[in-house]
Amino acid sequence: DSGVTQTPKHLITATGQRVTLRCSPRSGDLSVYWYQQSLDQGLQFLIQYYNGEERAKGNILERFSAQQFPDLHSELNLSSLELGDSALYFCASSVQEGISPLHFGNGTRLTVT
Amino acid sequence: EDQVTQSPEALRLQEGESSSLNCSYTVSGLRGLFWYRQDPGKGPEFLFTLYSAGEEKEKERLKATLTKKESFLHITAPKPEDSATYLCATSGGSEKLVFGKGTKLTVNP
Repeated sequence: DSGVTQTPKHLITATGQRVTLRCSPRSGDLSVYWYQQSLDQGLQFLIQYYNGEERAKGNILERFSAQQFPDLHSELNLSSLELGDSALYFCASSVQEGISPLHFGNGTRLTVT
Repeated sequence: EDQVTQSPEALRLQEGESSSLNCSYTVSGLRGLFWYRQDPGKGPEFLFTLYSAGEEKEKERLKATLTKKESFLHITAPKPEDSATYLCATSGGSEKLVFGKGTKLTVNP
């Protein structure tokens, strides 16, 4: 058990809808990262937060947004969903802002129908 | 832009048959090379971090090595429970980790 908690585990929704994915990092970790994993693309970095502030952005669509709250949990909001957004979404946390091992949750599997 | 390429995409071994997985990388100023293991339906599990060429790290049947252009994950006398997808990731000039697509290892009893 990595100590990173993601909810829900599975999400099935229709095109055009909006969903929110939630992540609680390991106790003591201040950095939260979001990754998308699809069969053909592998793990793609979306966004990173450190202690409530956005630190780095990857290939995150404008339809997607995230935030990290004062209690350090994070939410990833996906809107105007398309079929191609179906994927596994992982949250990871690390103790520091710089390069250090990431500890991943078990992901949220999003299916858009 | 940082790039990571892993080979082979898939590898089947018999129990006890040692082999190596390859991770080739292109980064501007390597800050770390990471190996992860991912089981089906689970998140990646951290295995090793390597920081400089010549560095080696071991954990049970796994040994990771690093050169200036690639890293190897050597698996000695594997067991069926070593079956998983092994991911390599690097960090260069940015804070994000760039992952390869992984090598799916199957160890048959």
